[in-house]
Amino acid sequence: DSGVTQTPKHLITATGQRVTLRCSPRSGDLSVYWYQQSLDQGLQFLIQYYNGEERAKGNILERFSAQQFPDLHSELNLSSLELGDSALYFCASSGEYSPLHFGNGTRLTVT
Amino acid sequence: EDKVVQSPLSLVVHEGDTVTLNCSYEVTNFRSLLWYKQEKKAPTFLFMLTSSGIEKKSGRLSSILDKKELFSILNITATQTGDSAVYLCAVEAPRDDKIIFGKGTRLHILP
Repeated sequence: DSGVTQTPKHLITATGQRVTLRCSPRSGDLSVYWYQQSLDQGLQFLIQYYNGEERAKGNILERFSAQQFPDLHSELNLSSLELGDSALYFCASSGEYSPLHFGNGTRLTVT
Repeated sequence: EDKVVQSPLSLVVHEGDTVTLNCSYEVTNFRSLLWYKQEKKAPTFLFMLTSSGIEKKSGRLSSILDKKELFSILNITATQTGDSAVYLCAVEAPRDDKIIFGKGTRLHILP
């Protein structure tokens, strides 16, 4: 167990809908990263937060947004969902001198 | 643009064989290189490499980094069916606060 908790494990929704994915980092980790993994693209970096502030942005669509709360948990919001958004979404956290540890992911299926 | 390239993309060997997985990178202001193993769910951490020429070892797995030639290798000796997984290489780029992943090497060990 990595200590990173993601909910829900699975999500099935229709095109055009909005969903929220949740992540609780390992105790003591201030950084939270979000990644999208689809079969042909590998792990794509979306966004990083550090202690509540956005630190870095990757290939995140404008329909997607995220935030990190004062208790350090993070949420990734995906709106106006399209079929191509179906993927595994991972959250990972890291500390000052520790590597990334991943949650078990949320599998999103858009129908 | 920063990038991480892994080779081969897939590999099938017999149990007991030794395999070498490659990772090359082009990243500005490199900080560290990370190896992960991904089976069905979350990537699990294997090694973090920051210095050239120093081999890191864990059981049958070992890895080394060459910062001059910008690559790393992951060796697995006496492979077992449980080593079947996708092996991911990632590089930390502190300039952008990103951790960039390669597409992975899918390793399949035949009994």
